[in-house]
Amino acid sequence: AQKITQTQPGMFVQEKEAVTLDCTYDTSDQSYGLFWYKQPSSGEMIFLIYQGSYDEQNATEGRYSLNFQKARKSANLVISASQLGDSAMYFCAMREGKGDQFYFGTGTSLTVIP
Amino acid sequence: DAMVIQNPRYQVTQFGKPVTLSCSQTLNHNVMYWYQQKSSQAPKLLFHYYDKDFNNEADTPDNFQSRRPNTSFCFLDIRSPGLGDAAMYLCATSRDRGAGRGYTFGSGTRLTVV
Repeated sequence: AQKITQTQPGMFVQEKEAVTLDCTYDTSDQSYGLFWYKQPSSGEMIFLIYQGSYDEQNATEGRYSLNFQKARKSANLVISASQLGDSAMYFCAMREGKGDQFYFGTGTSLTVIP
Repeated sequence: DAMVIQNPRYQVTQFGKPVTLSCSQTLNHNVMYWYQQKSSQAPKLLFHYYDKDFNNEADTPDNFQSRRPNTSFCFLDIRSPGLGDAAMYLCATSRDRGAGRGYTFGSGTRLTVV
């Protein structure tokens, strides 16, 4: 089974609008961490936001927030007030409490339309 | 302030000619990872070091080797690059195992094989 599933290969959003990128995960560990990364065409992997499995509050970092629904095993990224510079590939990822692995989803390509 | 540095940023190599990519870190992290990322795909873990302990992924080709002479440096050696090895190579570090947020990527080396 896939550890991380991103079902939206591509998304479009109007500039200044909010957008939600979906991510579901699969783990039997009680301790895990969820990450979102942005990867522009230059290729570097830019850290956006982190949510620990024991964190009770949803994580927020500026215009990014993570909608963490533990029972549904979902960790959707919400980008508010989209900007043209947000156009990029977005990856959801997970680390489990045991082991060294870092699991990536297949990514969502976001295009912001002026 | 750069914490995980990959050199060079772009590398062109000839088919069959050995090439080495380097990664250095100033974070004193125990774990160093190498990922291969082909166009429009998620990063794929090749191997990682936990301190000096080398961990190879089962499906990593023998053509790929790695060295970690000290805590700060890790090298990826491709013994006989083929056209299919053209990709972005990402180095990442982590303080330790587990679900914590401390996971840092370098800016990557984009390898072209001619």
